[in-house]
Amino acid sequence: EAQVTQNPRYLITVTGKKLTVTCSQNMNHEYMSWYRQDPGLGLRQIYYSMNVEVTDKGDVPEGYKVSRKEKRNFPLILESPSPNQTSLYFCASSWGGQETQYFGPGTRLLVL
Amino acid sequence: QKEVEQDPGPLSVPEGAIVSLNCTYSNSAFQYFMWYRQYSRKGPELLMYTYSSGNKEDGRFTAQVDKSSKYISLFIRDSQPSDSATYLCAMNDDYKLSFGAGTTVTVRA
Repeated sequence: EAQVTQNPRYLITVTGKKLTVTCSQNMNHEYMSWYRQDPGLGLRQIYYSMNVEVTDKGDVPEGYKVSRKEKRNFPLILESPSPNQTSLYFCASSWGGQETQYFGPGTRLLVL
Repeated sequence: QKEVEQDPGPLSVPEGAIVSLNCTYSNSAFQYFMWYRQYSRKGPELLMYTYSSGNKEDGRFTAQVDKSSKYISLFIRDSQPSDSATYLCAMNDDYKLSFGAGTTVTVRA
């Protein structure tokens, strides 16, 4: 089954404790992206990757890191999480056209 | 000012009614215009996308783009309770995507 998976789905952590949210797709997609969704603000793009070893900032990259060492994986790293990073995070992928993105199920993060 | 503006609603309509959703945008470099549907506690799923000004139909859904006015719309005909969801408009400038805040729609049986 073609899908985008994210882990963990739910995470509660404390300020400053490094964490990684994994994202994996099995569709051989070139393009992958991370978003955060907050009430009233909609989805905002954090980082995106056009292919292996090629990444770029979205609209809200501060406090986040990404890497793309394999085509199927695109982890999101929070080196020192803060409460304002409490949000619902989505990973998405597509073949290359951003108009047909497939989204993962989301990761709900709470930073205390 | 946000690049993409979307009325958050909520919008409540009776079953069978036409649902009308719209977004305005300010960036004339936007190329593709998409509509996503998001059910509660789920990831967004793509409904339709268009590239040029005009209408595009897919079953009960019609997407409309007016680039001269920087305005896009989504119409849902013969709405069903299963259409109750949040609808997000999105548009891209090369590899960067911008989303509207989403409109929550409830279709009453």
